[in-house]
Amino acid sequence: DVKVTQSSRYLVKRTGEKVFLECVQDMDHENMFWYRQDPGLGLRLIYFSYDVKMKEKGDIPEGYSVSREKKERFSLILESASTNQTSMYLCASSPRTSGREHFGPGTRLTVT
Amino acid sequence: AQTVTQSQPEMSVQEAETVTLSCTYDTSESNYYLFWYKQPPSRQMILVIRQEAYKQQNATENRFSVNFQKAAKSFSLKISDSQLGDTAMYFCAFIQGGSEKLVFGKGTKLTVNP
Repeated sequence: DVKVTQSSRYLVKRTGEKVFLECVQDMDHENMFWYRQDPGLGLRLIYFSYDVKMKEKGDIPEGYSVSREKKERFSLILESASTNQTSMYLCASSPRTSGREHFGPGTRLTVT
Repeated sequence: AQTVTQSQPEMSVQEAETVTLSCTYDTSESNYYLFWYKQPPSRQMILVIRQEAYKQQNATENRFSVNFQKAAKSFSLKISDSQLGDTAMYFCAFIQGGSEKLVFGKGTKLTVNP
């Protein structure tokens, strides 16, 4: 079974802090994704990566950056956390052009 | 741009009954795939069912089946013999052939009542 893990289930940070969310997958998938999930808005893509060191902006990249130095690991960075970034963050991975995404358990981030 | 619409924010069904979740999508492409994903409360999102647009036959996975109406751009999910464990958010999703990114609907919250 594909396993996608995220570094924290719950995280509380203060406004202005730099925040790192880590995601690791163990199935050698080419693609990795970061989404945020908010009630009534569904899943919105923040960034995705189709290869090591390659990234592409999603629908809502503002205020976020990403890093993929190794194939199995994809990090989401909030350079200066703000209260409007309080949300559930989901990581996913998939083989190339399959749409079969495997999701991590999510990180619920609260910025106070 | 492709869009996916789920018109039912919430639904409920009695255990053992059948329920249908609606999804419509908009695309001008002919090569694409459609999906239903399930997110149980406080648990990971998982893929329930996948449909290739070029296949006329509706996909089925145990108690889950789809009604794919290509001309109408409709892709509904039918859950038969509903179980308490089917309580979840259900997301309809679309991917264009050759693309890497899914487009998700906003989700339908399904509650199965005992």
